[in-house]
Amino acid sequence: DIQMTQSPSSLSASVGDRVTITCRASQTISNYLNWYQQKPGKAPNLLIYAASSLQSGVPSRFSGSGSGTDFTLTISSLQPEDFATYYCQQSYGIPRTFGQGTKVDIK
Amino acid sequence: QVQVVQSGAEVKKPGASVRVSCKASGYTFTGYYLHWVRQAPGQGLEWMGWINPSSGGTNFAQKFQGRVTMTRDTSSSTVYMELSRLRSDDTAVYYCARDRGDGYSWHFDLWGRGTLVTVSS
Repeated sequence: DIQMTQSPSSLSASVGDRVTITCRASQTISNYLNWYQQKPGKAPNLLIYAASSLQSGVPSRFSGSGSGTDFTLTISSLQPEDFATYYCQQSYGIPRTFGQGTKVDIK
Repeated sequence: QVQVVQSGAEVKKPGASVRVSCKASGYTFTGYYLHWVRQAPGQGLEWMGWINPSSGGTNFAQKFQGRVTMTRDTSSSTVYMELSRLRSDDTAVYYCARDRGDGYSWHFDLWGRGTLVTVSS
């Protein structure tokens, strides 16, 4: 199985901050990497697919980059509604493993 | 409206089975695989498996092999996930999610609201 490791596990940030979350795969996955946002009590919501493609309706302050084994999710200017948990997921193989999540909370 | 609607919360005893449904609407049911993902309280997301609504073919995570069944009813555009021999650590919210892709990317673009399954004696 492909293991996905996110860092950090949690972070505290202020509104307006630039936030970066990283995700590392245990083997190369090309660009088969997705990012989801999950708020408490809600289902995950797709933000980024294919490492860098912005899902329709997602604000442009979210961006993704990377290829191979190392990937990054960046929020250019954190907004109040962005406080949530973020998960990466690889879709290169089965099982479709997720990272352990990164919780972004208010500083 | 494009959506997948899941069945309601369940409470089961250890050793029992549970069946959760996921009804698709607003899109071609047989055109997209549906996956099941679960989330234990306070924990991360765990992929369980997928079903091809067109053929009924399935693929499960090794962890659930022998305990999980996924079926579909094309007449009602509904997929079902049944988990047997329930244990307390199966307590979780179970999500169905539509898989969208084109060979260059596969991603879950549509999620149900989740079904809480509680296993308790």
